[in-house]
Amino acid sequence: GESVGLHLPTLSVQEGDNSIINCAYSNSASDYFIWYKQESGKGPQFIIDIRSNMDKRQGQRVTVLLNKTVKHLSLQIAATQPGDSAVYFCAEERGNTPLVFGKGTRLSVIA
Amino acid sequence: GAVVSQHPSRVICKSGTSVKIECRSLDFQATTMFWYRQFPKQSLMLMATSNEGSKATYEQGVEKDKFLINHASLTLSTLTVTSAHPEDSSFYICSAPDRGSNQPQHFGDGTRLSIL
Repeated sequence: GESVGLHLPTLSVQEGDNSIINCAYSNSASDYFIWYKQESGKGPQFIIDIRSNMDKRQGQRVTVLLNKTVKHLSLQIAATQPGDSAVYFCAEERGNTPLVFGKGTRLSVIA
Repeated sequence: GAVVSQHPSRVICKSGTSVKIECRSLDFQATTMFWYRQFPKQSLMLMATSNEGSKATYEQGVEKDKFLINHASLTLSTLTVTSAHPEDSSFYICSAPDRGSNQPQHFGDGTRLSIL
């Protein structure tokens, strides 16, 4: 989901469907990317990461895809569940510099 | 279980008060910790990098005299918001890298600061 102004883009999916959350990053020198899940009133929770020498990585119910050509990152969640409802952030790291967070996408799962 | 503990989780205080937030790494040492600020419906913005035994590094636009950071031990960093005003109301989150972990950083659960 693309960010518009200060409002978080929202993705609504039916329970059981697959979700795809997108992120565009800005720095072609970034070599490490992470997806975080943030529930209301809590800190970010690590989901999955990928290094720039890979284009795909799979975890439990989640897959991250990296397209360095267009500087695009996506998170796929299979069989989305109500507990997946949260705000999802991508983050990029360049060497030893601190993480830079993307704007975030709110995922709402409709039961 | 949590590997980074942040305290308090919520603070409500009057304008002009100084507020201290603690960030502790549990079961690992953190020579570096990061402080972020998050306004409603926005992303996390890095405020400063806290370095054990030396001065913190602040991001552009963050007042170092306003946001005092102390990293006196390998497991504790504190952020003090001095003379807080309503515009300082936000969600403050700390994190610490743990190179012995399969995750790049561990995050605290944040501190909701509300200045009346």
